[in-house]
Amino acid sequence: GIQVEQSPPDLILQEGANSTLRCNFSDSVNNLQWFHQNPWGQLINLFYIPSGTKQNGRLSATTVATERYSLLYISSSQTTDSGVYFCAVGYGNNRLAFGKGNQVVVIP
Amino acid sequence: GAGVSQSPSNKVTEKGKDVELRCDPISGHTALYWYRQSLGQGLEFLIYFQGNSAPDKSGLPSDRFSAERTGGSVSTLTIQRTQQEDSAVYLCASSRANTEAFFGQGTRLTVV
Repeated sequence: GIQVEQSPPDLILQEGANSTLRCNFSDSVNNLQWFHQNPWGQLINLFYIPSGTKQNGRLSATTVATERYSLLYISSSQTTDSGVYFCAVGYGNNRLAFGKGNQVVVIP
Repeated sequence: GAGVSQSPSNKVTEKGKDVELRCDPISGHTALYWYRQSLGQGLEFLIYFQGNSAPDKSGLPSDRFSAERTGGSVSTLTIQRTQQEDSAVYLCASSRANTEAFFGQGTRLTVV
Protein backbone atom coordinates (compact mmCIF):
# COMPACT_ATOMS: atom_id res chain seq x y z
CA GLY A 1 0.00 0.00 0.00
CA ILE A 2 0.88 3.66 -0.07
CA GLN A 3 3.35 5.00 2.49
CA VAL A 4 2.73 8.31 4.27
CA GLU A 5 5.57 9.89 6.23
CA GLN A 6 5.24 12.95 8.43
CA SER A 7 8.06 15.08 9.77
CA PRO A 8 9.12 16.15 12.27
CA PRO A 9 7.53 13.59 14.58
CA ASP A 10 7.79 15.93 17.57
CA LEU A 11 8.01 19.70 17.70
CA ILE A 12 8.20 22.11 20.62
CA LEU A 13 7.40 25.73 19.86
CA GLN A 14 7.50 28.93 21.80
CA GLU A 15 4.18 30.72 21.64
CA GLY A 16 4.22 33.15 18.72
CA ALA A 17 6.66 31.12 16.62
CA ASN A 18 5.97 29.80 13.13
CA SER A 19 6.39 26.20 12.02
CA THR A 20 6.09 23.91 9.03
CA LEU A 21 4.93 20.29 9.11
CA ARG A 22 5.63 18.04 6.17
CA CYS A 23 3.82 15.05 4.69
CA ASN A 24 5.45 12.88 2.03
CA PHE A 25 3.61 10.10 0.23
CA SER A 26 4.93 7.33 -1.92
CA ASP A 27 2.45 7.18 -4.80
CA SER A 28 -0.20 9.14 -6.67
CA VAL A 29 -3.19 10.12 -4.57
CA ASN A 30 -6.74 11.24 -5.23
CA ASN A 31 -6.85 13.67 -2.35
CA LEU A 32 -5.13 14.74 0.85
CA GLN A 33 -6.37 15.98 4.21
CA TRP A 34 -4.84 17.50 7.31
CA PHE A 35 -6.43 16.85 10.70
CA HIS A 36 -5.76 18.18 14.19
CA GLN A 37 -6.43 15.81 17.06
CA ASN A 38 -7.53 17.79 20.07
CA PRO A 39 -6.82 16.81 23.70
CA TRP A 40 -10.15 14.95 23.83
CA GLY A 41 -9.13 12.77 20.90
CA GLN A 42 -11.48 14.28 18.34
CA LEU A 43 -10.07 14.55 14.82
CA ILE A 44 -10.83 18.01 13.50
CA ASN A 45 -10.72 18.62 9.75
CA LEU A 46 -8.24 21.38 8.93
CA PHE A 47 -7.80 21.20 5.17
CA TYR A 48 -9.01 19.11 2.27
CA ILE A 49 -6.26 19.88 -0.20
CA PRO A 50 -5.59 17.52 -3.13
CA SER A 51 -3.46 20.24 -4.71
CA GLY A 52 -2.68 23.91 -4.48
CA THR A 53 -2.69 26.21 -1.47
CA LYS A 54 -5.39 27.07 1.06
CA GLN A 55 -5.44 29.35 4.06
CA ASN A 56 -7.63 29.42 7.13
CA GLY A 57 -6.66 32.06 9.66
CA ARG A 58 -3.19 31.35 11.02
CA LEU A 59 -3.02 28.00 9.25
CA SER A 60 -2.27 27.34 5.63
CA ALA A 61 -1.47 24.27 3.57
CA THR A 62 0.14 23.53 0.27
CA THR A 63 0.07 20.26 -1.66
CA VAL A 64 2.34 19.59 -4.62
CA ALA A 65 0.83 16.36 -5.87
CA THR A 66 3.32 15.90 -8.70
CA GLU A 67 6.17 15.91 -6.17
CA ARG A 68 4.20 13.88 -3.62
CA TYR A 69 4.27 16.14 -0.61
CA SER A 70 2.15 18.53 1.39
CA LEU A 71 3.07 21.20 3.91
CA LEU A 72 1.07 22.60 6.80
CA TYR A 73 2.12 26.02 8.07
CA ILE A 74 1.29 27.29 11.52
CA SER A 75 1.95 30.98 12.01
CA SER A 76 2.01 32.90 15.31
CA SER A 77 1.45 29.65 17.21
CA GLN A 78 -0.79 29.58 20.26
CA THR A 79 -1.04 27.06 23.08
CA THR A 80 -4.34 25.87 21.61
CA ASP A 81 -2.40 24.68 18.55
CA SER A 82 -0.88 21.92 20.68
CA GLY A 83 -1.85 18.39 19.77
CA VAL A 84 -1.21 15.88 17.03
CA TYR A 85 -1.49 16.79 13.37
CA PHE A 86 -2.29 13.95 10.98
CA CYS A 87 -1.92 13.84 7.22
CA ALA A 88 -4.20 11.41 5.37
CA VAL A 89 -4.19 10.55 1.67
CA GLY A 90 -7.02 9.10 -0.37
CA TYR A 91 -6.00 6.64 -3.05
CA GLY A 92 -7.33 3.80 -5.15
CA ASN A 93 -11.00 3.06 -4.59
CA ASN A 94 -11.49 5.74 -1.94
CA ARG A 95 -9.05 4.17 0.50
CA LEU A 96 -7.51 6.37 3.20
CA ALA A 97 -3.96 6.07 4.55
CA PHE A 98 -2.61 8.04 7.52
CA GLY A 99 0.81 9.18 8.56
CA LYS A 100 1.96 8.67 12.15
CA GLY A 101 1.37 12.29 13.02
CA ASN A 102 3.29 15.37 14.15
CA GLN A 103 3.13 15.90 17.91
CA VAL A 104 3.21 19.67 18.49
CA VAL A 105 3.62 21.32 21.88
CA VAL A 106 3.34 25.10 22.13
CA ILE A 107 4.71 26.53 25.34
CA PRO A 108 3.72 29.93 26.71
CA GLY B 1 -27.53 14.34 12.41
CA ALA B 2 -25.03 16.47 10.57
CA GLY B 3 -21.91 14.56 11.57
CA VAL B 4 -20.63 11.04 12.14
CA SER B 5 -22.10 9.67 15.34
CA GLN B 6 -20.54 6.89 17.41
CA SER B 7 -21.96 5.08 20.39
CA PRO B 8 -21.29 4.50 23.14
CA SER B 9 -18.78 7.26 23.90
CA ASN B 10 -17.20 5.14 26.59
CA LYS B 11 -17.39 1.43 27.29
CA VAL B 12 -15.88 -0.49 30.17
CA THR B 13 -16.12 -4.24 29.85
CA GLU B 14 -14.76 -7.28 31.57
CA LYS B 15 -12.16 -9.41 29.88
CA GLY B 16 -13.81 -12.18 27.90
CA LYS B 17 -17.06 -10.32 27.23
CA ASP B 18 -18.26 -9.34 23.75
CA VAL B 19 -18.79 -5.69 22.80
CA GLU B 20 -20.53 -3.91 19.94
CA LEU B 21 -19.55 -0.45 18.80
CA ARG B 22 -21.85 1.53 16.55
CA CYS B 23 -21.19 4.11 13.86
CA ASP B 24 -23.81 6.26 12.12
CA PRO B 25 -22.16 7.85 9.07
CA ILE B 26 -23.16 11.08 7.41
CA SER B 27 -26.18 10.52 5.21
CA GLY B 28 -25.22 9.80 1.62
CA HIS B 29 -21.63 8.86 2.38
CA THR B 30 -20.74 5.66 0.59
CA ALA B 31 -17.40 5.01 2.28
CA LEU B 32 -17.07 4.07 5.94
CA TYR B 33 -13.83 3.42 7.81
CA TRP B 34 -12.95 1.99 11.22
CA TYR B 35 -9.65 2.82 12.89
CA ARG B 36 -8.19 2.06 16.30
CA GLN B 37 -5.92 4.34 18.31
CA SER B 38 -4.06 3.09 21.34
CA LEU B 39 -2.79 5.57 23.91
CA GLY B 40 -0.19 7.87 22.39
CA GLN B 41 -0.16 6.01 19.09
CA GLY B 42 -1.23 6.72 15.54
CA LEU B 43 -4.32 5.47 13.75
CA GLU B 44 -4.43 1.74 13.00
CA PHE B 45 -6.63 0.83 10.05
CA LEU B 46 -9.18 -1.90 10.79
CA ILE B 47 -11.79 -2.18 8.04
CA TYR B 48 -13.21 -0.20 5.13
CA PHE B 49 -16.61 -0.35 3.42
CA GLN B 50 -17.17 1.22 -0.01
CA GLY B 51 -20.68 1.12 -1.39
CA ASN B 52 -21.74 -2.39 -2.34
CA SER B 53 -18.19 -3.65 -2.78
CA ALA B 54 -16.78 -6.37 -0.54
CA PRO B 55 -15.27 -4.72 2.55
CA ASP B 56 -11.51 -4.51 2.98
CA LYS B 57 -10.95 -6.43 6.21
CA SER B 58 -7.19 -6.54 5.92
CA GLY B 59 -6.62 -4.47 9.06
CA LEU B 60 -8.64 -6.57 11.50
CA PRO B 61 -6.11 -7.82 14.07
CA SER B 62 -7.71 -11.19 14.80
CA ASP B 63 -10.78 -13.29 14.07
CA ARG B 64 -12.32 -11.93 17.28
CA PHE B 65 -12.98 -8.72 15.35
CA SER B 66 -15.77 -8.39 12.81
CA ALA B 67 -17.81 -5.58 11.30
CA GLU B 68 -20.86 -5.19 9.21
CA ARG B 69 -22.63 -2.36 7.49
CA THR B 70 -26.36 -2.75 7.10
CA GLY B 71 -28.18 -1.13 4.21
CA GLY B 72 -25.12 0.86 3.27
CA SER B 73 -25.54 3.05 6.33
CA VAL B 74 -25.01 2.13 9.99
CA SER B 75 -21.98 0.00 10.85
CA THR B 76 -21.32 -2.19 13.87
CA LEU B 77 -17.86 -3.29 14.97
CA THR B 78 -17.99 -6.39 17.16
CA ILE B 79 -15.17 -7.62 19.36
CA GLN B 80 -15.65 -11.07 20.82
CA ARG B 81 -13.96 -12.36 23.96
CA THR B 82 -12.32 -9.01 24.64
CA GLN B 83 -8.73 -8.88 25.84
CA GLN B 84 -6.92 -6.11 27.70
CA GLU B 85 -4.89 -5.28 24.58
CA ASP B 86 -8.17 -4.37 22.86
CA SER B 87 -8.38 -1.28 25.08
CA ALA B 88 -8.19 1.74 22.77
CA VAL B 89 -10.23 4.46 21.14
CA TYR B 90 -12.16 3.16 18.16
CA LEU B 91 -12.74 5.82 15.51
CA CYS B 92 -15.18 5.75 12.62
CA ALA B 93 -15.12 8.01 9.55
CA SER B 94 -17.24 8.40 6.46
CA SER B 95 -16.95 10.12 3.09
CA ARG B 96 -18.45 10.39 -0.35
CA ALA B 97 -16.40 8.75 -3.09
CA ASN B 98 -12.90 10.25 -3.19
CA THR B 99 -13.80 13.31 -1.16
CA GLU B 100 -13.27 14.66 2.32
CA ALA B 101 -13.61 12.22 5.21
CA PHE B 102 -15.14 13.16 8.56
CA PHE B 103 -14.61 11.40 11.87
CA GLY B 104 -16.89 10.69 14.76
CA GLN B 105 -15.89 11.44 18.33
CA GLY B 106 -14.78 7.86 18.93
CA THR B 107 -15.60 5.14 21.43
CA ARG B 108 -13.14 4.71 24.29
CA LEU B 109 -13.04 1.00 25.13
CA THR B 110 -11.51 -0.17 28.40
CA VAL B 111 -11.17 -3.88 29.09
CA VAL B 112 -10.66 -4.68 32.76
